[in-house]
Amino acid sequence: DAKTTQPTSMDCAEGRAANLPCNHSTISGNEYVYWYRQIHSQGPQYIIHGLKNNETNEMASLIITEDRKSSTLILPHATLRDTAVYYCIVTSTGTASKLTFGTGTRLQVTL
Amino acid sequence: DGGITQSPKYLFRKEGQNVTLSCEQNLNHDAMYWYRQDPGQGLRLIYYSQIVNDFQKGDIAEGYSVSREKKESFPLTVTSAQKNPTAFYLCATAEVRNEKLFFGSGTQLSVL
Repeated sequence: DAKTTQPTSMDCAEGRAANLPCNHSTISGNEYVYWYRQIHSQGPQYIIHGLKNNETNEMASLIITEDRKSSTLILPHATLRDTAVYYCIVTSTGTASKLTFGTGTRLQVTL
Repeated sequence: DGGITQSPKYLFRKEGQNVTLSCEQNLNHDAMYWYRQDPGQGLRLIYYSQIVNDFQKGDIAEGYSVSREKKESFPLTVTSAQKNPTAFYLCATAEVRNEKLFFGSGTQLSVL
């Protein structure tokens, strides 16, 4: 599976959009981009995933560049409850056993 | 969580003792997973099971054992052979051939 690179930490003011980047320059054609988040002392939570088209759900939007080498998770109106570690994962295997949760991006939402 | 119950939330182990962490699910998912998380680190896969009565080792299975006698249950035993067991343990489920994981709320294991 392709390796991902994320910033270690980011800050965002409450009410503003939080844009979390992820680089996956070695992604192959059949690999999906997944995003999870982990609030302190809880289990990770699935947010969204996509292959090549932009995706949106009730939690967030996922923007994947045309060459698929990077993506951005967008939380349109961040709240204090969005403070968490966000994991970007790339995988193609069709099984969760191969998901690799690295250290992710620690997003701090502030007043 | 929501359909995945891990217990207890906090567990203490004495030297040389085996302890068992419980994971129960009512999501009717075939696949179940155990992860370990150390402070400030990502998740590492210990064991997983995609069907009853079958399971596979993950990346760090040494010192751990599991069983899958029922679809709903996937207990993890931390044996005395695991010399550094202090960590946050997470159970997860998924439909087979699906990367969308559902996680429990975790068990914090500490050594006395």
